[in-house]
Amino acid sequence: NAGVIQTPRHKVTGKGQEATLWCEPISGHSAVFWYRQTIVQGLEFLTYFRNQAPIDDSGMPKERFSAQMPNQSHSTLKIQSTQPQDSAVYLCASSLEGQEYEQYFGPGTRLTVL
Amino acid sequence: GDKVKQSPSALSLQEGTNSALRCNFSIAATTVQWFLQNPRGSLINLFYLVPGTKENGRLKSAFDSKESYSTLHIRDAQLEDSGTYFCAAGGGSNYKLTFGKGTLLTVTP
Repeated sequence: NAGVIQTPRHKVTGKGQEATLWCEPISGHSAVFWYRQTIVQGLEFLTYFRNQAPIDDSGMPKERFSAQMPNQSHSTLKIQSTQPQDSAVYLCASSLEGQEYEQYFGPGTRLTVL
Repeated sequence: GDKVKQSPSALSLQEGTNSALRCNFSIAATTVQWFLQNPRGSLINLFYLVPGTKENGRLKSAFDSKESYSTLHIRDAQLEDSGTYFCAAGGGSNYKLTFGKGTLLTVTP
C-alpha cells in the first residue's frame, strides 16, 4: 500500500527559474494538503483541495505560488521566478473524506534556490 | 505567540528510560496528531486523537481539549526512537493542521 508520493525528492533551481513539485495522494483519499517546512518558520499550511476543488489557499504566498489538482491522482505546486527565500521542504499530505484532520504525509521535496 | 507550544524543545534520554513530551494549545483544538520526523525527513504518523487517550506499544498519548494540551509518553526508550516529534492541532472548518516547533529527542546507549 503506497503512501503519498512526492517527486522530485530534491530540486535545485537558479534564482528566477520556475519549479514544479508533484504529489500523488494515497489512492482513495479525496483531500490533498500542501505544507512548507523551514528551520525558521517550522511547518506551515499552504493550501488544500477536496475532490480536486481548491478549498483553502490562505497559506499560499500571494505572488508566484500556485497549486492545481487536475485529477484525483495528482496535485502540483508551481513556484514561478523562484527566490532564495523559497528554499524549503515542501510536504504534501492526503486524507480520507470526512477524516480530513487525520493526514498522511509524503517524504517531501527539498527545494534549494541558488 | 505560538499557537501550539511544544516542550521541551530538546531532550536527551538514556536507553531504557521514560519521558513525556507536551503540547499546549492557544487555539481551539478538536483533534491532535503526533508525528515522528525521521532523519530522512519523513513524517511518520504516531497517533491521531480526539479527546481521550491511545496507546501503541511503548507509546501512549493523551489529549484534553478542555485544558488545551496533549502529551506523548515514551516508555523504555530505544535508539530508534530518536528524531523530532511534532504535534499538530486540528480545529475549525478549514482542516489545516497547526504544528508545534517540535521536540528533538536523542536516545543514547
